[in-house]
Amino acid sequence: GENVEQHPSTLSVQEGDSAVIKCTYSDSASNYFPWYKQELGKRPQLIIDIRSNVGEKKDQRIAVTLNKTAKHFSLHITETQPEDSAVYFCAAIPTGGYQKVTFGTGTKLQVIP
Amino acid sequence: NAGVTQTPKFRILKIGQSMTLQCAQDMNHNYMYWYRQDPGMGLKLIYYSVGAGITDKGEVPNGYNVSRSTTEDFPLRLELAAPSQTSVYFCASSPPGDTEAFFGQGTRLTVV
Repeated sequence: GENVEQHPSTLSVQEGDSAVIKCTYSDSASNYFPWYKQELGKRPQLIIDIRSNVGEKKDQRIAVTLNKTAKHFSLHITETQPEDSAVYFCAAIPTGGYQKVTFGTGTKLQVIP
Repeated sequence: NAGVTQTPKFRILKIGQSMTLQCAQDMNHNYMYWYRQDPGMGLKLIYYSVGAGITDKGEVPNGYNVSRSTTEDFPLRLELAAPSQTSVYFCASSPPGDTEAFFGQGTRLTVV
C-alpha cells in the first residue's frame, strides 16, 4: 500500500520568514495531493491541492510543488503570520478518492511573532 | 449551510460500554468517511460509504461498525469500548473524485 512520510514533525519560524514542509510517497498510482490545515481543536480544512499533471500551484502566500519522478511534494508558505500556526497534513490519493487516501503524520508549525 | 456535523464533541466511556458517534452532512455528498486521529499519527480510515446502503472497511475497522440508511447520515458504532479506541474521530464527506473532503469538528473519545 501507499506510504507517506512527512517532515519535519515540528517547525518554528519567525514571523515573516518562509516555511517549507515536505512529503514523500511510495505509490506511483497516487495522482492527487491535497494539503490540510488543522488549527488547535478544530477540523482539518483544505488549503491547497495539486494534481499529477501539474508541477506547481500557487495561491497567494501558499504554494505546492510536485516532483512525480522523485515522488515528493512540498508545501511552501511565504511571509508567515501568527495565524499560520497550526498542524499541516499532506495526503496522497490514487484514482478512487478518499477511501484510498494516505495521510502524512502532520507538521506542527509555530510562527513566532 | 452547516456542512458536516458531528455529535458529541467529547465523551468519556468506560471499558466495555458502547456508543454511537453521529455524523450528518447537508451537501448531498455520496461519499462519507470515518477517520481516527491519534497523537503523532496521520488520519486513519475506519469505514467509508459511497452511497446509501453501501459501506466498506477502511484501514482500521476492528471494533467499529457503520450504517448508511440515508445520504445525509453516517453513524459510527463502537461496541465493547477498549482503551485502544481512545482517539479523536473525524467524519468527512466529499463528492466523488479528486476534490476537497469536508470534515466535521471531531469527537474526542476517552475510554477508561
